[in-house]
Amino acid sequence: EIVLTQSPATLSLSPGERATLSCRASQSVSIYLVWYQQKPGQAPRLLIYDASNRATGIPARFSGSGSGTDFTLTISSLEPEDFAVYYCQQRYTWPLTFGGGTKVEIK
Amino acid sequence: DVQLLESGGGLAQPGGSLRLSCAASGFTLSNYGMSWVRQAPGKGLEWVSNIDGGGVGTYYADSVKGRFTISRDTSKNTVYLEMNSLRVEDTAVYYCAKRALDTTGWFDYWGQGTLVTVSS
Repeated sequence: EIVLTQSPATLSLSPGERATLSCRASQSVSIYLVWYQQKPGQAPRLLIYDASNRATGIPARFSGSGSGTDFTLTISSLEPEDFAVYYCQQRYTWPLTFGGGTKVEIK
Repeated sequence: DVQLLESGGGLAQPGGSLRLSCAASGFTLSNYGMSWVRQAPGKGLEWVSNIDGGGVGTYYADSVKGRFTISRDTSKNTVYLEMNSLRVEDTAVYYCAKRALDTTGWFDYWGQGTLVTVSS
């Protein structure tokens, strides 16, 4: 199974700052890496699919990059509603796997 | 609009059974794959099972293989997860999620989840 390791576990930042989240795969997943956002008590929401494609309705401050084993989610300037937990997921092979999540909290 | 509504969660004893349902609207099940994803209290997301758009291909996480069965009824546009031999570690919120493509796509829509608690 492909293990996805997200870092850091927690990111403490202020509104307006730039957030850089990392997801590393134990083997190549090509570009088939997806990012989700989850707020407390809510279902996950799709942000980025296939490494760098923003989902419908996702603001341009969210961007994704990477291929192979190293991927990055960047939030260019944090808005109050962006403080949440972010998960990466690979859809390259079975079983589908998720990373452990990065919590972006208000500093 | 796409909507997914899970039901069937509740309290079960270890070794017991539950059947979860996911009623879909706004799209046709036969055109898309569907998955169940769970989240234990305070933990991350874990993929559980997937059924493809054709309804023939099914996939399971090792942690549930042989105990859980995914199925669907296209006449009701509903996906099911039959859970047998439940364990305490199966306690979680169970989400159904729609694949963007047939079997291999990302999860573009999620339900609000149904809580399963396994305890004696």
